[in-house]
Amino acid sequence: AQSVTQPDIHITVSEGASLELRCNYSYGATPYLFWYVQSPGQGLQLLLKYFSGDTLVQGIKGFEAEFKRSQSSFNLRKPSVHWSDAAEYFCAVGGNAGKSTFGDGTTLTVKP
Amino acid sequence: EAGVAQSPRYKIIEKRQSVAFWCNPISGHATLYWYQQILGQGPKLLIQFQNNGVVDDSQLPKDRFSAERLKGVDSTLKIQPAKLEDSAVYLCASSFPRGRDVAKNIQYFGAGTRLSVL
Repeated sequence: AQSVTQPDIHITVSEGASLELRCNYSYGATPYLFWYVQSPGQGLQLLLKYFSGDTLVQGIKGFEAEFKRSQSSFNLRKPSVHWSDAAEYFCAVGGNAGKSTFGDGTTLTVKP
Repeated sequence: EAGVAQSPRYKIIEKRQSVAFWCNPISGHATLYWYQQILGQGPKLLIQFQNNGVVDDSQLPKDRFSAERLKGVDSTLKIQPAKLEDSAVYLCASSFPRGRDVAKNIQYFGAGTRLSVL
């Protein structure tokens, strides 16, 4: 069965600092991996995805993620965080028949 | 392009009452998903439609939850009777087929319906 673990429930960073959100997955084959962002009262918006090829993928809003098969990880990074990045972030793995399994999310707080 | 529309945005009911949520997907999107998102958790798939057929409803509590997608467009999710543990945000998403590998489909989410069961 596929599963996703996001070890950090809540992360606080200062504006302008770098950010890394962790994601570990469990899946029997080559996974399709996604990161979504959810602002309060909003639905989820796709930040980036990995299907195959280059293990470093670029997304919207200056985010990137690196797929590491040996560590079963797909961590999300951003070099310099903006106050508008405060939100909840979800990692997901796509599996059979298009069914996606989501982690429980990491809430990002940005300090001025 | 209009996004995924959901209504109502908020609903408060008492336990044992019934409730229905409506979703209008992005035009042309054949796949429609309903998710339940409990506070502090990630979205959990309840049911997935391909056009008007059910692809996956393995996690739908069928004794109280039902969903339909008439004519392969709009969808309605119903809970009858509601329990306290049904308090959650119900998200609808849709996707356009990108080929035979459905797992690559990008899902577009609506803003959700927040249900409170008292």
